[in-house]
Amino acid sequence: GAVVSQHPSRVICKSGTSVKIECRSLDFQATTMFWYRQFPKQSLMLMATSNEGSKATYEQGVEKDKFLINHASLTLSTLTVTSAHPEDSSFYICSARMGRAGGYTFGSGTRLTVV
Amino acid sequence: GQNIDQPTEMTATEGAIVQINCTYQTSGFNGLFWYQQHAGEAPTFLSYNVLDGLEEKGRFSSFLSRSKGYSYLLLKELQMKDSASYLCAVSSYKLIFGTGTRLQVFP
Repeated sequence: GAVVSQHPSRVICKSGTSVKIECRSLDFQATTMFWYRQFPKQSLMLMATSNEGSKATYEQGVEKDKFLINHASLTLSTLTVTSAHPEDSSFYICSARMGRAGGYTFGSGTRLTVV
Repeated sequence: GQNIDQPTEMTATEGAIVQINCTYQTSGFNGLFWYQQHAGEAPTFLSYNVLDGLEEKGRFSSFLSRSKGYSYLLLKELQMKDSASYLCAVSSYKLIFGTGTRLQVFP
């Protein structure tokens, strides 16, 4: 079945630094990648949608200059949290989709802690 | 705007049946998913409805009424391991999650 590999699974960084999270689709071409953030005891909140080769579409309230998304190939998308602050500490998870009618395959998630 | 609402928390007893409701108002609709999620883990796919009616899969069933913007997930013969969060999600050109329901199963 479809597999999305997400790395790292956990990361601790200092306030003010940047962190990059990678998601790779291992056995299919992900035309669309979705990035979510989840705070404790809350649901998944969509941050942005990215299509291969084009700029990401950000949801309302998500700072595009802070959360940089790159989807340069059909198998790789990255999320970079720039100038991280403690309030950015959260669970980040990606989801990949092949075509507009394909199902959604989730990565295993990244627990980011900013100290 | 888009709203996908679920009850925040539910409790049930082992062996019982529980129904988790989901109501939605979205700008597009290509289907509704149900996922199970344990804390700190990725959501796990449970079911998918695109047409009205009931989809049954073992102990789990899901129902959809597109005209009412309503779905439910039915869990039968509850087990302790079913204690988790249950998320409905509406698919259009993107996947938007509901508020999520934390289910606790007691012995």
